[in-house]
Amino acid sequence: DQQVKQNSPSLSVQEGRISILNCDYTNSMFDYFLWYKKYPAEGPTFLISISSIKDKNEDGRFTVFLNKSAKHLSLHIVPSQPGDSAVYFCAADGGSQGNLIFGKGTKLSVKP
Amino acid sequence: NAGVTQTPKFQVLKTGQSMTLQCAQDMNHNSMYWYRQDPGMGLRLIYYSASEGTTDKGEVPNGYNVSRLNKREFSLRLESAAPSQTSVYFCASSTDWSSYNEQFFGPGTRLTVL
Repeated sequence: DQQVKQNSPSLSVQEGRISILNCDYTNSMFDYFLWYKKYPAEGPTFLISISSIKDKNEDGRFTVFLNKSAKHLSLHIVPSQPGDSAVYFCAADGGSQGNLIFGKGTKLSVKP
Repeated sequence: NAGVTQTPKFQVLKTGQSMTLQCAQDMNHNSMYWYRQDPGMGLRLIYYSASEGTTDKGEVPNGYNVSRLNKREFSLRLESAAPSQTSVYFCASSTDWSSYNEQFFGPGTRLTVL
């Protein structure tokens, strides 16, 4: 059973608007979460992370919010740019050190 | 700075053939990983090496073997390829064995088993 779920396979947003990508998890023991971005024919690249002791982490246009009680996190991109078009993976610390559990990904398309 | 490199980029095998996927990193990282990504799926950990000289199974190790040749290199071997192993394989590395460390990924090897 999936422990990290990204229920939206795709998302389309207009350039300049906000993109919100969602991620749910089932294991309350997860204490660290990461977002990776992947372009076609390339490997994933780290984007932003958040520890369970925080509820928000911001890095430029990217903000991740964590709601532990709902076991939910979201990635906000403001403003969205065409270069942000990629697949975004949510990942959680699987408990064994270094073992990341990935969601299936959400494909973001930012239209000019 | 090359980061994480993988060879080959593409490979087609027949069922039962064997092959080795190569991975090397030049960031002096201690830990290395092999993942597979199937269509519409997230990345799943096959094997990892927390440090030079050690290897351990991940979530989906069956049908694979690994070798941590030295600190830089971590290879993945398919002894007898099966169609179910058709996938994109990613190698990654990180400073140490902790999720708190960002993992750096290679560009992937796209493997098709007929």
